Amino acid sequence: AQSVTQLGSHVSVSEGALVLLRCNYSSSVPPYLFWYVQYPNQGLQLLLKYTSAATLVKGINGFEAEFKKSETSFHLTKPSAHMSDAAEYFCAVTRMDSSYKLIFGSGTRLLVRP
Amino acid sequence: SAVISQKPSRDICQRGTSLTIQCQVDSQVTMMFWYRQQPGQSLTLIATANQGSEATYESGFVIDKFPISRPNLTFSTLTVSNMSPEDSSIYLCSVEDWGLAGGHEQFFGPGTRLTVL
Repeated sequence: AQSVTQLGSHVSVSEGALVLLRCNYSSSVPPYLFWYVQYPNQGLQLLLKYTSAATLVKGINGFEAEFKKSETSFHLTKPSAHMSDAAEYFCAVTRMDSSYKLIFGSGTRLLVRP
Repeated sequence: SAVISQKPSRDICQRGTSLTIQCQVDSQVTMMFWYRQQPGQSLTLIATANQGSEATYESGFVIDKFPISRPNLTFSTLTVSNMSPEDSSIYLCSVEDWGLAGGHEQFFGPGTRLTVL
């Protein structure tokens, strides 16, 4: 069965430090991939998406992610963390049986220390 | 891009009762989705609601427990029936729409936080 794995349920970084959130997927066919952010008591907001164009995808708020087919990974990075980046981050992939449906990872809570 | 609102934003209910959650979109969309997010967990798709057809449910979810209506292209409701404490979750609706950066994306509502006592 398809799956999305996010390593680390919690990641803590200092303000100004590099943010790296990991996402690996299992799929025999490269899917479309997404990163969403969820701020407390809010819905999900799309950060960026990979749809088979450029493998390095730039998103909002300075985030970017690189699709690596050989590693089946789509890790999210940001060079310098801001306090406002503290939130829950979800990686998602399109399902093989329906490209309109998404499978979400378990989420990573990013904590930013002053 | 679509803007989605949900009502209520939160509710506390007694076990055995039912709650209907509304999802309103500011534009016409074909596909709407309902998700459940249990405390501290990820999102699980409950069902897909297309206007003019019956909702299609994912494995583990049934119509008797989660009846869905989709009367037009901008509105849907999800009912959580005969609730138990295990139904305490955040329920989110989403829609497929054309994104600002091009291509189809899912846009999410703010969610309904349900607590069942």
